[in-house]
Amino acid sequence: GDSVTQMEGPVTLSEEAFLTINCTYTATGYPSLFWYVQYPGEGLQLLLKATKADDKGSNKGFEATYRKETTSFHLEKGSVQVSDSAVYFCALSRAGNQFYFGTGTSLTVIP
Amino acid sequence: NAGVTQTPKFQVLKTGQSMTLQCAQDMNHEYMSWYRQDPGMGLRLIHYSVGAGITDQGEVPNGYNVSRSTTEDFPLRLLSAAPSQTSVYFCASSVPGTGGYGYTFGSGTRLTVV
Repeated sequence: GDSVTQMEGPVTLSEEAFLTINCTYTATGYPSLFWYVQYPGEGLQLLLKATKADDKGSNKGFEATYRKETTSFHLEKGSVQVSDSAVYFCALSRAGNQFYFGTGTSLTVIP
Repeated sequence: NAGVTQTPKFQVLKTGQSMTLQCAQDMNHEYMSWYRQDPGMGLRLIHYSVGAGITDQGEVPNGYNVSRSTTEDFPLRLLSAAPSQTSVYFCASSVPGTGGYGYTFGSGTRLTVV
């Protein structure tokens, strides 16, 4: 069945460091891929998405490219800030709206 | 403000009590769902609905009931609370059928069963 695997956390980085959070997926057909962010005490917010192979989603300096050949959707940011501290979830969905989430990766950015 | 509204934000129940978690959205989304979030386990789907009058089970439905009498509302009922149901519960809604719009999540209900 469909599933998402993302790297274990927690991840701790210094401010202005480069961030990569790995995400790979298993799915039939052509799913849409998403990254969600959860700030402390809040619900999940859509960060970015890509709906077909080779698409790049981007938002707030974060990027992820839909790689069908490696079934991956890694999240990257060139220079993280303290305000980026949150839990990040990779997810996939196919038509019909069934979503599959990874277990989440906690990021802490220290000044 | 448009979005998904969950109430209450916090709740403490005694084992065996029942309660209803409320979820309402004003975006005319047909697809709604309930998830629970537990440490190290990510989000697990409890129940979902593709439209008024239609509901189905997700990954972890035992101990929970849902109904969908209107497009806007999707309450989650705990029939007889157990400590294993201590969790954070999220309601989410989406435009159906496309898979590409993503979910809009509520801010969550933190439930403790003692």
